[in-house]
Amino acid sequence: EAEVAQSPRYKITEKSQAVAFWCDPISGHATLYWYRQILGQGPELLVQFQDESVVDDSQLPKDRFSAERLKGVDSTLKIQPAELGDSAMYLCASSDGTVPDDAEAFFGQGTRLTVV
Amino acid sequence: EDQVTQSPEALRLQEGESSSLNCSYTVSGLRGLFWYRQDPGKGPEFLFTLYSAGEEKEKERLKATLTKKESFLHITAPKPEDSATYLCAVQGGGSYIPTFGRGTSLIVHP
Repeated sequence: EAEVAQSPRYKITEKSQAVAFWCDPISGHATLYWYRQILGQGPELLVQFQDESVVDDSQLPKDRFSAERLKGVDSTLKIQPAELGDSAMYLCASSDGTVPDDAEAFFGQGTRLTVV
Repeated sequence: EDQVTQSPEALRLQEGESSSLNCSYTVSGLRGLFWYRQDPGKGPEFLFTLYSAGEEKEKERLKATLTKKESFLHITAPKPEDSATYLCAVQGGGSYIPTFGRGTSLIVHP
């Protein structure tokens, strides 16, 4: 069964360091999402891609966060410098819907980030 | 701004004790309402999409319904393996951004 792959599963980093997360969506899925989920809350969208283009990054803290999907397939989310408040689960999801997207999204297992 | 409120925050049931989870929403022009299941430490797993008031969808012991203001996830004769957090999300016509609720944590005791 096709899955969204994310790595690493867990990451511990010191504040002010750089950290990067990788996501490989389900093959053929044009839409890719990065979410942040703080413990006990629902996921919050950070950025949405349609192929290699950013559809929405209005909730991405651009002073420290960046995301790219250069070839419209896999994607990288970077934080530099990391802050204590960035500790959360970072989830990647993909769907095969076109924008506006109303198809279901399939999530990866996430990367649990702890900033110390 | 789209808003989603889920209740209760936590629910404990005995095996076989049916119940319902609520998702109240405020959105400008609903494009879709989504239900997900999330196990601890894992990503959400898609369950249903509902598009218009009156629509219903079923999967095993789960049934989702939709009105103009809220959605219910009915769980019939739950089993311990149904224990998880259930998330509701909406996508409105004014934004491509799906908005999630905080979820309902369900525990089913054997």
